[in-house]
Amino acid sequence: LAKTTQPISMDSYEGQEVNITCSHNNIATNDYITWYQQFPSQGPRFIIQGYKTKVTNEVASLFIPADRKSSTLSLPRVSLSDTAVYYCLVVLSGAGSYQLTFGKGTKLSVIP
Amino acid sequence: EPEVTQTPSHQVTQMGQEVILRCVPISNHLYFYWYRQILGQKVEFLVSFYNNEISEKSEIFDDQFSVERPDGSNFTLKIRSTKLEDSAMYFCASRGMYEQYFGPGTRLTVT
Repeated sequence: LAKTTQPISMDSYEGQEVNITCSHNNIATNDYITWYQQFPSQGPRFIIQGYKTKVTNEVASLFIPADRKSSTLSLPRVSLSDTAVYYCLVVLSGAGSYQLTFGKGTKLSVIP
Repeated sequence: EPEVTQTPSHQVTQMGQEVILRCVPISNHLYFYWYRQILGQKVEFLVSFYNNEISEKSEIFDDQFSVERPDGSNFTLKIRSTKLEDSAMYFCASRGMYEQYFGPGTRLTVT
């Protein structure tokens, strides 16, 4: 499974757009890029998943360039409640069981 | 919105004792998982379960661990003889179409 690298921490002011970039140089053809969010003492929560180009939902956008060796999670207009750890994962999607391999994630601190 | 539930929220036990952590996955999901997170560390995969049997397990999931789906709704993780290093948050998850839905976790403290 492709290893992911992302910044350990980021700070942002409320109301700003936050972009967290993740590199996954060894991503395989059948792999998808998935992002999870985790608040202290809670389970991880799925944010968004994509394969290529751009995916947007009500929470975030995910940008994936053509070579798929990196991806950027974009959180529009963050609030204090977005303070959390954000994990970038590469997963083999489709049928069958698969485990999620979490790294250390990016700790986002939103400042008032 | 359907959610994964876990009980208890906090379990304190003495070293060497058996514990059973319980989970109720989302009802129409077919794949179930246990993960753990030692305080300040990464979330680690323990085991996945499908069609009433283990489909994958990690090196952490040794003979002291077992999983069971005793009825149509519950999914349990048993640790036979707890060690101090088993102290962690244990998360159950179940899988929908694409993503895994995690429960709120059980904090296990082994003294």
